[in-house]
Amino acid sequence: DGGITQSPKYLFRKEGQNVTLSCEQNLNHDAMYWYRQDPGQGLRLIYYSQIVNDFQKGDIAEGYSVSREKKESFPLTVTSAQKNPTAFYLCASSAGTANYGYTFGSGTRLTVV
Amino acid sequence: AQSVSQHNHHVILSEAASLELGCNYSYGGTVNLFWYVQYPGQHLQLLLKYFSGDPLVKGIKGFEAEFIKSKFSFNLRKPSVQWSDTAEYFCAVIPDDNYGQNFVFGPGTRLSVLP
Repeated sequence: DGGITQSPKYLFRKEGQNVTLSCEQNLNHDAMYWYRQDPGQGLRLIYYSQIVNDFQKGDIAEGYSVSREKKESFPLTVTSAQKNPTAFYLCASSAGTANYGYTFGSGTRLTVV
Repeated sequence: AQSVSQHNHHVILSEAASLELGCNYSYGGTVNLFWYVQYPGQHLQLLLKYFSGDPLVKGIKGFEAEFIKSKFSFNLRKPSVQWSDTAEYFCAVIPDDNYGQNFVFGPGTRLSVLP
């Protein structure tokens, strides 16, 4: 079945450590997105990529970094510069532009202690 | 910048009650509108979407939504909810006139249906 795989589902890290969240899709979608979900705030866009080797900052990119070396993969690194990293992170993809609608992964819950 | 508001943070209903979740957006141009649902422990799924045409759109599981352009609203409705509708519901908007834009999501409404 085609879809988006995010791993791991739960992740714990010590404060000050960088951590990378995985997102892989086998839908042959061009565009991929990272969102952060916090209670009462909905989904906020961190980074997005519309083609390989290109990505753009979203609304809350500070403290995060991404890469898009392959069409299928869009890993997100939460750096030690991110002031409040504990959150639920969602990866999504779309066939063309976002107007087509998104397919979402199941998310990674990151807890920094 | 665009923004999306959802009227209620948490709605509690009994089974068979009717549901209406409010969604309003701020954007002066043409928009595409979506409702996504996130069932407990599952990923977000598309419930329905509006691009153009009939402003009353029907989605999966008996949900429908009505686009009222003059009110900048896209409210979600279901005549009779079931316990399995317990989930978080997100309204999302994307401008139709600039393909470089991305979704703006509302803060979500949590629906709890009591058996």
